[in-house]
Amino acid sequence: EVQLVESGGGLVQPGGSLRLSCAASGFTFSRYWMSWVRQAPGKGLEWVANIKQDGSEQFYVDSVKGRFTISRDNAKNSLYLHMNSLKPDDTAVYYCARADSMVTTRNFGYWGQGTLVTVSS
Amino acid sequence: DIQMTQSPSSLSASIGDRVTITCRASQGVGSWLAWYQQKPDKAPKSLIYAASSLQSGVPSRFSGSGSGTDFTLTISSLQPEDFATYYCQQYNFYPLTFGGGTRVEIK
Repeated sequence: EVQLVESGGGLVQPGGSLRLSCAASGFTFSRYWMSWVRQAPGKGLEWVANIKQDGSEQFYVDSVKGRFTISRDNAKNSLYLHMNSLKPDDTAVYYCARADSMVTTRNFGYWGQGTLVTVSS
Repeated sequence: DIQMTQSPSSLSASIGDRVTITCRASQGVGSWLAWYQQKPDKAPKSLIYAASSLQSGVPSRFSGSGSGTDFTLTISSLQPEDFATYYCQQYNFYPLTFGGGTRVEIK
């Protein structure tokens, strides 16, 4: 069974930093693109970033470029999101998501339960 | 960026009703379109990929159609467990973008 478990969320002040983690199990992690998708309270879904199987390519939504970094450790079956210069608009539940397949890499077949990040003073 | 516009933003329907949700892309995305279902305080669940392909385990009352800019999600006979919010997502171009969601409520 595919499982994605996020951790690392919490309350942080504007301008602060946070690192989210996603522990993956139930599939061969190194064979799939992985993504972070967020959802502000009461709002819709917003893709944040994704990363290729070997970590050699990453893509970001413009609003986080230069502030967030997606990374992975295939030996630990783990995905990360390093978030710097956080703003109140970054307040959201952050979901870890696996690509639907090894072929279709940019839609999401499995999602974690999410971790809440609150940026507030 | 590709803008994805869903309509309606919400609807009320009864058990057994046929429900249709529309998603329009601001430019053509081919068949690179997915649909997700999200229940309150839960993670989204994948329903359909490639515009019309049903994910494994998803009931056959769900179907998708369309290509280019206009897409449809249809629930042929609404069941109690289908009351949720539905999102479309294009995955032809970066940034990957979602529609604003359609909330399906009980009439």
